Amino acid sequence: QSVLTQPPSVSGAPGQRVTISCTGTSSNIGAGYDVHWYQQLPGTAPKLLIYGNNNRPSGVPDRFSGSKSGTSASLAITGLQAEDEADYYCLSYDSSLGGYVIFGGGTKVTVL
Amino acid sequence: QVQLQESGPGLVKPSETLSLTCTVSGDSISSGYYWGWIRQPPGKGLEWIAIFYHSGTTYYNPSLKSRVTISVDTSTKQFSLRLTSVTAADTAVYYCARASSLAVAGYYFDYWGQGTLVTVSS
Repeated sequence: QSVLTQPPSVSGAPGQRVTISCTGTSSNIGAGYDVHWYQQLPGTAPKLLIYGNNNRPSGVPDRFSGSKSGTSASLAITGLQAEDEADYYCLSYDSSLGGYVIFGGGTKVTVL
Repeated sequence: QVQLQESGPGLVKPSETLSLTCTVSGDSISSGYYWGWIRQPPGKGLEWIAIFYHSGTTYYNPSLKSRVTISVDTSTKQFSLRLTSVTAADTAVYYCARASSLAVAGYYFDYWGQGTLVTVSS
């Protein structure tokens, strides 16, 4: 079981807005550590989507946005497209004993 | 363009040692970045294994620490993973990646290798 909790799946029709939550604790997200997001298309390596809570690397469409509040963070996808169907993972830092790098369990986004 | 490429045996017998190498191009392991290993069992999520800086600082996932060794050769731009006493639970796609460190604390992986599947089976 992951330290960061994500919903197993979310779905939406093309053009809709979907959000993925990433819930942590007071030793990671709640302690103020940044959250980062990855998109993993089938059979490929994860791709950095959002870093530092709400920053997009060059080339990532502005349909993707991140936010953080308290012990949770969220990834929003607006104007959902068929190509967005993928697994999404959050990543943060944990200050508890030896925790360091922690991933969320992942969320499968399905475009209806 | 930073690129990473994993290499190593695709099949390892139970109780033996898994050894993988990551070759970096387009950057230097001695640059101001961290480097690490992540794995993903078939059909499951991502699991961080270890992260290190060229100066020798290394952090391990506590659940794997007793079995993991990281080695680095900056001259050949390669770093390696050794995982001892493997079982079927270690079957996974193994990724190497470059990591940026944050001013306060934490890391994120910005460049990843394509991954290599390692199966543990007799």
